[in-house]
Amino acid sequence: GAVVSQHPSRVICKSGTSVKIECRSLDFQATTMFWYRQFPKKSLMLMATSNEGSKATYEQGVEKDKFLINHASLTLSTLTVTSAHPEDSSFYICSASQADPATDTQYFGPGTRLTVL
Amino acid sequence: AQSVTQPDIHITVSEGASLELRCNYSYGATPYLFWYVQSPGQGLQLLLKYFSGDTLVQGIKGFEAEFKRSQSSFNLRKPSVHWSDAAEYFCAVLLYSGAGSYQLTFGKGTKLSVIP
Repeated sequence: GAVVSQHPSRVICKSGTSVKIECRSLDFQATTMFWYRQFPKKSLMLMATSNEGSKATYEQGVEKDKFLINHASLTLSTLTVTSAHPEDSSFYICSASQADPATDTQYFGPGTRLTVL
Repeated sequence: AQSVTQPDIHITVSEGASLELRCNYSYGATPYLFWYVQSPGQGLQLLLKYFSGDTLVQGIKGFEAEFKRSQSSFNLRKPSVHWSDAAEYFCAVLLYSGAGSYQLTFGKGTKLSVIP
């Protein structure tokens, strides 16, 4: 149980285009979903936290107009990288928790490798 | 500032040998601590977590970790490493970030290589 999927697993796009990444909780309802970015040889950096039906809370330094997050249902959150540039190339990982994130485990997706040419 | 430090970037051990991965945290209150493992092409998998109670925590795949408040440490151990344990290991602390929100703060990870 507690499986989180991401789609696509890998995407290559041209500079200036937008890319949407989906995160789904397959066998549970996720009240809270998180989006992380992982740079090579770096730890995961939390980008934003989203609760179903409400606006995402972005971490300091993360451009909310560039990284659009939608959490329309209890099993789906999407991250759209708008007008992508090469510096947006990274590994994006989502996670989901069923209940109170203070006490409930976060379950992580396998990640999406974004390459912007 | 609250932080998580994993001092070892890369560790190599022989199969069958014991393993200890170090993790130190900086946090004023009693932390919620986690160890995750990341294998290529797979998501982070929770190995174990500490919220309270017994300071020696047992996890999956034969791993254990010990919370030592005096040393601000939460080191991960395994008595006998298997080749399949080769992966990246992350220590994380759950921090209260205000307004009812919590966030996981990760260390930079330790890459484990296993020699057959």
